[in-house]
Amino acid sequence: DQQVKQNSPSLSVQEGRISILNCDYTNSMFDYFLWYKKYPAEGPTFLISISSIKDKNEDGRFTVFLNKSAKHLSLHIVPSQPGDSAVYFCAASEDQAGTALIFGKGTTLSVSS
Amino acid sequence: DTAVSQTPKYLVTQMGNDKSIKCEQNLGHDTMYWYKQDSKKFLKIMFSYNNKELIINETVPNRFSPKSPDKAHLNLHINSLELGDSAVYFCASSQDLIRRKLKETQYFGPGTRLLVL
Repeated sequence: DQQVKQNSPSLSVQEGRISILNCDYTNSMFDYFLWYKKYPAEGPTFLISISSIKDKNEDGRFTVFLNKSAKHLSLHIVPSQPGDSAVYFCAASEDQAGTALIFGKGTTLSVSS
Repeated sequence: DTAVSQTPKYLVTQMGNDKSIKCEQNLGHDTMYWYKQDSKKFLKIMFSYNNKELIINETVPNRFSPKSPDKAHLNLHINSLELGDSAVYFCASSQDLIRRKLKETQYFGPGTRLLVL
């Protein structure tokens, strides 16, 4: 059973436009959410996170929105750049001892110039 | 200076063999992890060690055995390799697994691509 779902395997966006990557989760005990970015032949790297006590967190061109009632979060990238082309993983965790990250399947973002 | 390193990067081997993947982190972190990314691209936690002690042991075959000689190393030994073990294995580390107030992110290694023939 997938506790973290990224239903869009891929997304194509033009340079300068907004990229919106979506993530849904089923476990209501999750209280911390992260986005990781992964280039080919590299490990995932942390991008941005949000705690369940917030509904928005912004870091430069990246903003994560959290809708707890819908168990949904999204990552907005604006403006999108060709270097943003990568696989984006949504991850979640519970604030309890011993819980690691639960990852989604990833969405491949392609930004064309 | 690589923060989390894994060796080897690629590993091709025959079914039934025993192999090891090494992981080292130079971040001074207390916790290390092994994740498996299978052919369906799911990235799943396998093990977690905190200060050389096993914290998380998800449902993986007991052919997989993690070994942590010290805080900076977490090696993965796999016995009697099977075709289904083919995947990319990622090592990761974080400052503290159980700290409640400050959530630390995990730093991933580049992955080891294992192919079992």
